[in-house]
Amino acid sequence: EAGVTQSPTHLIKTRGQQVTLRCSPISGHTSVYWYQQALGLGLQFLLWYDEGEERNRGNFPPRFSGRQFPNYSSELNVNALELEDSALYLCASSLVPGGGTEAFFGQGTRLTVV
Amino acid sequence: GENVEQHPSTLSVQEGDSAVIKCTYSDSASNYFPWYKQELGKRPQLIIDIRSNVGEKKDQRIAVTLNKTAKHFSLHITETQPEDSAVYFCAASKEVGGADGLTFGKGTHLIIQP
Repeated sequence: EAGVTQSPTHLIKTRGQQVTLRCSPISGHTSVYWYQQALGLGLQFLLWYDEGEERNRGNFPPRFSGRQFPNYSSELNVNALELEDSALYLCASSLVPGGGTEAFFGQGTRLTVV
Repeated sequence: GENVEQHPSTLSVQEGDSAVIKCTYSDSASNYFPWYKQELGKRPQLIIDIRSNVGEKKDQRIAVTLNKTAKHFSLHITETQPEDSAVYFCAASKEVGGADGLTFGKGTHLIIQP
């Protein structure tokens, strides 16, 4: 069975540009979480989607947004990129929504903003 | 929302010695506490978890303890080996239906000295 997959694995963008990251959860998982992992800052919670709805968002500005599709895959969009957006963006999925169970992570997308 | 503090940020131990990583959480309603291991360049993976109805759980060389009254939990690794070198994250969440998903600590870089 395929795990959580993310694309692209790496990308470089210029400050002010927009970027879209993609995530496919494990088959049967309805919850998708997005995390930002910047150097030294651990795993910062960005967004949580379940059954196509945004359930919660972390302490990030509105230029971070996303959506979840009917097949439960998800996109993370970041507008007006800033240098400090450079980080590893990790997607995770879980069988049960909201917590209380294992979250399976993708390999991440390494975003570099120059 | 939940806040998870983790320390130390870096821990260096001799191979064969024990390592202990400690976390505290703020929300008394949290009742699920997983630990993730992230090797260099890889995705975080669950190594052990504990629920609030249990005070201790062991899996071979790894154990986790939970003190609900004090709102802290710890990861214990005995007989450390080189392959234990990684970043370890603790997390906390409510059970099914919680609105916050997993809240992670900032991570502990465990270094096993030969």
